[in-house]
Amino acid sequence: RKEVEQDPGPFNVPEGATVAFNCTYSNSASQSFFWYRQDCRKEPKLLMSVYSSGNEDGRFTAQLNRASQYISLLIRDSKLSDSATYLCAVNSILTGGGNKLTFGTGTQLKVEL
Amino acid sequence: NAGVTQTPKFRILKIGQSMTLQCTQDMNHNYMYWYRQDPGMGLKLIYYSVGAGITDKGEVPNGYNVSRSTTEDFPLRLELAAPSQTSVYFCASSRAAQETQYFGPGTRLLVL
Repeated sequence: RKEVEQDPGPFNVPEGATVAFNCTYSNSASQSFFWYRQDCRKEPKLLMSVYSSGNEDGRFTAQLNRASQYISLLIRDSKLSDSATYLCAVNSILTGGGNKLTFGTGTQLKVEL
Repeated sequence: NAGVTQTPKFRILKIGQSMTLQCTQDMNHNYMYWYRQDPGMGLKLIYYSVGAGITDKGEVPNGYNVSRSTTEDFPLRLELAAPSQTSVYFCASSRAAQETQYFGPGTRLLVL
């Protein structure tokens, strides 16, 4: 089983739609969780951190389910500009003292007119 | 405040050549990382550093070397380039373990 798994998509949705992505992780000791956005041929950029209580930032809502070991991202009222690849990332501590951010392969979202 | 910068943006190497990918951050972050991203794949950790003078291997370190002589700089060295090293390389930094990592714009490397 992969450490972090995502449905690669693509998810093709009309503008204004609500879309949700899930990401499962295998290491129950994982400490921190993030959603990154990656545009074509660009670097990943932090979209939001995922907290145990869930968090919301405008049209974006992230949730964590530790019991089932998954995180989710909900995008409401999709915009054309939301088209991108969404990477989930799960953080765990390395023995050398650093931290390992394990990324999923990403879910591609295409928002259409 | 430029964040994380990487040079070059793009490079073509011949098999067996060597090169250094440069990475600099101006956020005074202790932690720095090198990742590679192959098409359709997630990012894989090559090497990381928890501070000046301290480096350690990640998941895919073979064929690479790093050094960390200053807080700001974390160069990645390819000694004998191989076609399998064709990839996009991202450098990242964070203030502390578990905190958000910030990425540079990447270096696209093609080994022929």
